[in-house]
Amino acid sequence: QSVLTQPPSESGAPGQRVTIFCSGNTSNIGPNYVYWYQQLPGTAPKLLIYKNNQRPSGVPDRFSGSKSGTSASLAISGLRSEDDADYYCAAWDDSLSGRVFGGGTKLTVL
Amino acid sequence: QVQLQESGPGLVKPPETLSLTCLVSGASVNNDYWAWIRQPAGKGLEWIGRIYSSGTINYNIFLKSRVTMSLDTSKNQVTLNLTSVTDADTAVYFCARGRSLYGLEVWGPGTMVTVS
Repeated sequence: QSVLTQPPSESGAPGQRVTIFCSGNTSNIGPNYVYWYQQLPGTAPKLLIYKNNQRPSGVPDRFSGSKSGTSASLAISGLRSEDDADYYCAAWDDSLSGRVFGGGTKLTVL
Repeated sequence: QVQLQESGPGLVKPPETLSLTCLVSGASVNNDYWAWIRQPAGKGLEWIGRIYSSGTINYNIFLKSRVTMSLDTSKNQVTLNLTSVTDADTAVYFCARGRSLYGLEVWGPGTMVTVS
């Protein structure tokens, strides 16, 4: 069971907007930054969002992150077939003195 | 361009020690920090630990008693040792480069390790 909680699956049609939520607590998301990673089938994860809402160079602005209290979210607008992937949230956990990941959300583009 | 390449035995017998290396090109292990993450088939990501170029190390508390990470500056690589392996350690193991507050920016392709 993961420390950060994500829905196991989400779906949306091409062009739609989807939001993936990540729930934590006062030891992880509350006091620390949230990161999001995208993992395409059979490949290594890729950094999508850092410091809650910052995009690394090359990540389309269709992807946006936000954080409020002990929860965070990743929004994907203008869904495209290539967004069909697993998405993981992550944060540092002060109680565990380590980084923790969410269980991952499988996004299906219909 | 920074590239990481994990390598290891592929198959390890319990309760032996798993040893992996991560060869770094395009960057120096003397900078930033280097992490190991694993992923059992069909499951999520599990953070194993990280090592800073300064020597500071953080391990997953649930693996801490069995894990050792180190930097080999002469070969520009990162090593991971995991002792007393069991079936539960079967996974794809990734190494990644991180910068403080910027997340794990570069990942290797991963290497599959089976404990049997």
